[in-house]
Amino acid sequence: QVQLVQSGAEVKKPGASVKVSCKASGYTFTDYHIHWVRQAPGQGLEWMGWINPSSGGTKFAQNFQGRVTMTSDTSITTAYMELNSLTSDDTAIYYCARENWYFNFWGRGTLVTVSS
Amino acid sequence: DIVMTQSPDSLAVSLGERATINCKSSQSVLYSSNNKNSVAWYQQKPGQPPKLLIYWASTRESGVPDRFTGSGSGTDFTLTISSLQAEDVAVYYCQQFYGSSRRTFGQGTKVEIK
Repeated sequence: QVQLVQSGAEVKKPGASVKVSCKASGYTFTDYHIHWVRQAPGQGLEWMGWINPSSGGTKFAQNFQGRVTMTSDTSITTAYMELNSLTSDDTAIYYCARENWYFNFWGRGTLVTVSS
Repeated sequence: DIVMTQSPDSLAVSLGERATINCKSSQSVLYSSNNKNSVAWYQQKPGQPPKLLIYWASTRESGVPDRFTGSGSGTDFTLTISSLQAEDVAVYYCQQFYGSSRRTFGQGTKVEIK
């Protein structure tokens, strides 16, 4: 069965970077884009971008251009999202999701807390 | 980017009654290659990731109860829960996945029991 297993919670200081991983299994990793979506406490879903694990191509939301990097390692079927220059506004749960046009599989989420 | 606007922000419905959530896109999301509207609906309960309910505006995901129905075309879409159950208390989001566009979600609609 399809599974997306994300890395554990992180606590970071303002100005730091965070890298979240998403380990995929149960399907051919290179056949589907992986998207990243975040959710601040008590807020809605915010799409961040996607990576095509086959080509390494990416596309980002304008809000994150220049501050986010998405990569993948096909040898271990894992996608990564790195966010730089963190502020308290980046405190959120970060989800990875597999695209089949829509998002039919989601990771459980990774809580990133930014606090001095 | 395509903006998705949901209404209302919240609603309270009696058990067994109908709940209706609307979603409007800022431009048409009709995908010409298959003549389908590129809209999905998700349900999110506290402490859980979103769960796909509906895709291509009206196709129910496997295992989703048939009291959930998606409809609409062009720029106006609706999610209807025909007979609200206690387990349907959640926040519902629409999302567009039109072509190669940046994906966007509606702001969410919180459904509660009256």
